[in-house]
Amino acid sequence: NAGVTQTPKFRILKIGQSMTLQCAQDMNHNYMYWYRQDPGMGLKLIYYSVGAGITDKGEVPNGYNVSRSTTEDFPLRLELAAPSQTSVYFCASAGTGTSGNEQFFGPGTRLTVL
Amino acid sequence: GIQVEQSPPDLILQEGANSTLRCNFSDSVNNLQWFHQNPWGQLINLFYIPSGTKQNGRLSATTVATERYSLLYISSSQTTDSGVYFCAVFSGSYQLTFGKGTKLSVIP
Repeated sequence: NAGVTQTPKFRILKIGQSMTLQCAQDMNHNYMYWYRQDPGMGLKLIYYSVGAGITDKGEVPNGYNVSRSTTEDFPLRLELAAPSQTSVYFCASAGTGTSGNEQFFGPGTRLTVL
Repeated sequence: GIQVEQSPPDLILQEGANSTLRCNFSDSVNNLQWFHQNPWGQLINLFYIPSGTKQNGRLSATTVATERYSLLYISSSQTTDSGVYFCAVFSGSYQLTFGKGTKLSVIP
């Protein structure tokens, strides 16, 4: 299993541009999450999904959108990029079972908005 | 919301030394995870430990849910242990709430 994969690894955007960060998991997990990590801080939840077709806002959703059309994929859309969105973005997934809601993280996407 | 505090914020160890990292949380939790973020930024799962004690090689963790804290023990530290250690708790709202981390530097 590849686990949680994210693309791209790095991206530089100009102010006002848009982009989609891709996230996929092959563990058949129902739960998927997007977090951002600012320098010297822990992670903060942007959006999450409990299954295909169901998404909800986390702690810091402004400036982002998500969709979940399949179990495997959970893309994050940035519209009208701003310097405040410069951050490292992590996607995570979680299932159920013996490990409960243990979350597994992708390698991250480092985004710079200039 | 739930608060997560980690201590110490920074720790410098000589290779071979032992250490204890602490995580305090302000409310009951359903899940607690410890992560290691290596110098390349990758988040590595160390323990899923809502309560009790677990061990994995040189690392072990104990969570005392009734007293709202968890401890991560690192024995015989190695330079590859360097990085930031995060504690994160899940209180049933779908969100993992992270502490600010403990930055560990292991020097040869």
